[in-house]
Amino acid sequence: KAGVTQTPRYLIKTRGQQVTLSCSPISGHRSVSWYQQTPGQGLQFLFEYFSETQRNKGNFPGRFSGRQFSNSRSEMNVSTLELGDSALYLCASRRGDTEAFFGQGTRLTVV
Amino acid sequence: KQEVTQIPAALSVPEGENLVLNCSFTDSAIYNLQWFRQDPGKGLTSLLLIQSSQREQTSGRLNASLDKSSGRSTLYIAASQPGDSATYLCAVNNNDMRFGAGTRLTVKP
Repeated sequence: KAGVTQTPRYLIKTRGQQVTLSCSPISGHRSVSWYQQTPGQGLQFLFEYFSETQRNKGNFPGRFSGRQFSNSRSEMNVSTLELGDSALYLCASRRGDTEAFFGQGTRLTVV
Repeated sequence: KQEVTQIPAALSVPEGENLVLNCSFTDSAIYNLQWFRQDPGKGLTSLLLIQSSQREQTSGRLNASLDKSSGRSTLYIAASQPGDSATYLCAVNNNDMRFGAGTRLTVKP
């Protein structure tokens, strides 16, 4: 059974650009959550999608957005990138409120 | 707002020792609590999930307990091995998952 797949694994972008990250959940999982991990702030919740609807949102500016498709795949978008957006972005998938499984993450570097 | 604290922040032990990692949380209205392991630069690997109605879960050398009323969970690792070296994170789930800052474990051969 395939795990959670995140693409790309690594990304380098310039300040002011925008970026789109992708997450394919485990088959049958309809919930996808996104997290930002930095050395200073740890793991912070960005948002959760369930059946194409945003169910929860963390405390991040509007530059961070996401969506979920009918096949449960999810994308997150960050516009007008800032240096402080450099982080490991992780997504997790779940079936209901059960065990969460994480992908390997996308390492975003903003220069 | 849920706050999750993990103590200690770092731990170094010789191979073979049994050890306990601690996790505390402020809001006891949780659905479940999950322990993860993270190797440097990698994603999170799920270790154990404890539902709010459960007191403990075991998997191999790992045992996790949950005391919802006091807002505490412990992860017990028996007979530690160098391959156990990693950062261990606990996460509590009520509407969204909140993580502690983690405990960085080093097991010396």
